[in-house]
Amino acid sequence: GAVVSQHPSRVICKSGTSVKIECRSLDFQATTMFWYRQFPKQSLMLMATSNEGSKATYEQGVEKDKFLINHASLTLSTLTVTSAHPEDSSFYICSARDPRQPTDTQYFGPGTRLTVL
Amino acid sequence: GENVEQHPSTLSVQEGDSAVIKCTYSDSASNYFPWYKQELGKRPQLIIDIRSNVGEKKDQRIAVTLNKTAKHFSLHITETQPEDSAVYFCAASGGDSSYKLIFGSGTRLLVRP
Repeated sequence: GAVVSQHPSRVICKSGTSVKIECRSLDFQATTMFWYRQFPKQSLMLMATSNEGSKATYEQGVEKDKFLINHASLTLSTLTVTSAHPEDSSFYICSARDPRQPTDTQYFGPGTRLTVL
Repeated sequence: GENVEQHPSTLSVQEGDSAVIKCTYSDSASNYFPWYKQELGKRPQLIIDIRSNVGEKKDQRIAVTLNKTAKHFSLHITETQPEDSAVYFCAASGGDSSYKLIFGSGTRLLVRP
């Protein structure tokens, strides 16, 4: 399957700071990427859809000014958690749709574990 | 919007037995149903998927069945092995043009040696 990378794998930050997470498609061009968050022992909750060259589409209840998404190229999407608070601590995972595959196939990055102190 | 329900939340089976996980979805326009396996701290891995134009798909010990009329689909794992132990998620997509996946709540499968 297609390869998606994410960086960093782990990050610890102080409350009030901002953290940027990168998601890259390594062997294909991803016009659409998705950002999820996953709390311990829970399911993946879709936060937003990131479309190359246009604004992200956020799910209901997700603050777009707090979770800034940029998809400036066909292989890179970034999620910036602004003014992070302890309740933002979670596992953040991106996925990318491989346009070479049948329409809806998505491949996931390895995830970023964010801890806000 | 789409809503996906998944059962059971936990499943314990003896090695060699079969395991079945069931999901229902609400949006009749959904047409793509993948299953993911996630080990602790790792990324979800696509293990099998099915599209609405077929009723069943099999890949070695894993099979998925789809009943569009009833809006439910199931994952079947035969001859389970300890390495099958993980959390399994179903998902549904395709009800609109966004390609986004809506996930079920997950099933924690434990295969006892």
